[in-house]
Amino acid sequence: EVQLVQSGAEVKQPGESLKISCRGSGYSFTNYWIAWVRQMPGKGLEWMGIIYPGDSRTTYSSSFQGHVTFSADKSISTAYLQWSSLKASDTALYYCARFPCSGGSCYSEYWGQGALVTVSS
Amino acid sequence: QSVLTQPPSVSAAVGQKVTISCSGSSSNIRNNYVSWYQQLPGTAPKLLIYDNNKRPSGIPDRFSGSKSGTSATLDITGLQTGDEADYYCGAWDSSLSAHVFGTGTEVTVL
Repeated sequence: EVQLVQSGAEVKQPGESLKISCRGSGYSFTNYWIAWVRQMPGKGLEWMGIIYPGDSRTTYSSSFQGHVTFSADKSISTAYLQWSSLKASDTALYYCARFPCSGGSCYSEYWGQGALVTVSS
Repeated sequence: QSVLTQPPSVSAAVGQKVTISCSGSSSNIRNNYVSWYQQLPGTAPKLLIYDNNKRPSGIPDRFSGSKSGTSATLDITGLQTGDEADYYCGAWDSSLSAHVFGTGTEVTVL
């Protein structure tokens, strides 16, 4: 059974750094892109970008480029999303998803349970 | 601001049919595949449809997808109270080199 398990909720202050995780199991973690998706309170889904754990290639949405960093540790089948300096506007639910993508066929197939990040002073 | 436009809400009675539209452009829907997601209240999204009209294992055939030109449609037949959720379309956008989601549609079962 394919599963993506994310780290728990975080409460941080503005300016702090943060790294959240997404551990995959039940499939070959290195062979599928992992997508990150943001959902701000009461709002819709926003695609942040993807990372290929096999070689750590990344593609960022222009809206998030420079604001977040994706990484992966294939030895423990885990992908990461990190911020170096959080802002209040980063308060949101963050999902990871297995993201098969080939020849224009790209979709979020299996989703993690989501990680709530709250940034408040 | 999403490049895929959906109606904010649709509603129908139990047992009836709802249709959710997703309007895009040549850089996304026309030339790439469309997916659809269901997000029940307080839960993570779930894939309903991929590659325009394919259902993952376990998704009932009450859910069907189609595409024509720069628009796509999700039909839900035999509406049930458990179908009350937010629904999102998605597609790769070749101009943006990014995946995009629709604005989302809330389905209410009367």
